Amino acid sequence: NAGVTQTPKFQVLKTGQSMTLQCAQDMNHEYMSWYRQDPGMGLRLIHYSVGAGITDQGEVPNGYNVSRSTTEDFPLRLLSAAPSQTSVYFCASSYTGAMGNYGYTFGSGTRLTVV
Amino acid sequence: KQEVTQIPAALSVPEGENLVLNCSFTDSAIYNLQWFRQDPGKGLTSLLLIQSSQREQTSGRLNASLDKSSGRSTLYIAASQPGDSATYLCAAHSGGGADGLTFGKGTHLIIQP
Repeated sequence: NAGVTQTPKFQVLKTGQSMTLQCAQDMNHEYMSWYRQDPGMGLRLIHYSVGAGITDQGEVPNGYNVSRSTTEDFPLRLLSAAPSQTSVYFCASSYTGAMGNYGYTFGSGTRLTVV
Repeated sequence: KQEVTQIPAALSVPEGENLVLNCSFTDSAIYNLQWFRQDPGKGLTSLLLIQSSQREQTSGRLNASLDKSSGRSTLYIAASQPGDSATYLCAAHSGGGADGLTFGKGTHLIIQP
């Protein structure tokens, strides 16, 4: 099925460990982004990319790195996990064409717990 | 900075009722507004996308309206069913880049059988 695929679905990390959350889309969308969802805080933008080789920070980028080597993939790296990074992470992609923006498609999420 | 507010935060109604969920945004310079549904422990499913030039969009029993000048959008659900129980999120798209999508905190809807 076409869409946004995130792996893993669940992950438990110890404080200080590093890991990469994977995100891939097969819709040839130029724009990709990462959000975290926390109770009472809603979804907040971490990092985004407007195309291969181009990334930038969102609202809450500290502690996370991203890269975009291909149009399809946009991994999110946690450098040294902290309990404050316990959250649900969503990857999203979007396409803007001549007729405007066609809306965002979200992955199913990665539930991360840092102990 | 765009801010999105959803009212009410929670709603419980008997099956069969028509209901309205409200979404307001502070910056009217949006490209579009998107309504999502989120089931517990699941991802976001797009329900309706309204472009800034449109007034409303319909999909089955769902109808979403947009009034940019007043900074408001509503999601109307007709003949509610227990399967409609979920959290409904609205998100304003103010542009690409760091603007991205600004989300409300959602309305948690319970439809009683």
